[in-house]
Amino acid sequence: QVQLIQSGAEVKKPGASVKVSCKVSGYTLTELSMHWVRQAPGKGLEWMGGFDPENGETIYAQKFQGRVTMTEDTSTDTAYMELSSLRSEDTAVYYCAPVQQWLFAYWGQGTLVTVSS
Amino acid sequence: SYVLTQPPSVSVAPGKTARITCGGDNIGSKSVYWYQQRPGQAPVVVIYYDGDRPSGIPERFSGSKSGNTATLTISRVEAGDEADYYCQVWDSGSEHVVFGGGTKLIVL
Repeated sequence: QVQLIQSGAEVKKPGASVKVSCKVSGYTLTELSMHWVRQAPGKGLEWMGGFDPENGETIYAQKFQGRVTMTEDTSTDTAYMELSSLRSEDTAVYYCAPVQQWLFAYWGQGTLVTVSS
Repeated sequence: SYVLTQPPSVSVAPGKTARITCGGDNIGSKSVYWYQQRPGQAPVVVIYYDGDRPSGIPERFSGSKSGNTATLTISRVEAGDEADYYCQVWDSGSEHVVFGGGTKLIVL
């Protein structure tokens, strides 16, 4: 059973960056293809990107290209998602979720990022 | 970019059958996944590979596809089924994961 523990809520000013972490247990990070999905208040799920096991590369949703970086520390089995140039529209709950055959079977508890001046 | 279209809401009386649709071009060639999300909680998969149910998901939940539409069917609806439901596919053309806009199931 995969367990995903994310870092706590963040409040950031417009233009700043935020880095959210996702600690994996039950599996090693190298056994997973980690992705990130966000959800703005009252809105739907929005895929941001993640590791594509078919080509061995990290892929990003076009909307976030150039503004998001997803990294992994395999020594601590922790995945990170950093989003820069924050704006109010980035206020959302951010989830880490590994994919298997493009299915999100497990999800972190979510991290609320609030962007406000 | 690839788009999945869901109705914003579906209303159903307890004990009846709810059908939530998910429309997309050539969806027949893609595996469709369905998630249930209750307020304040992370999504939970209820259907994978179009129509398979994970262990722990009641048999009342089923999935199907026809033409350009996938459908999540919930039989004998219970009050506890009230939640948001999302469909999802992997679009190999754009190399993007795509979620539908979500459907709020309202149990009357």
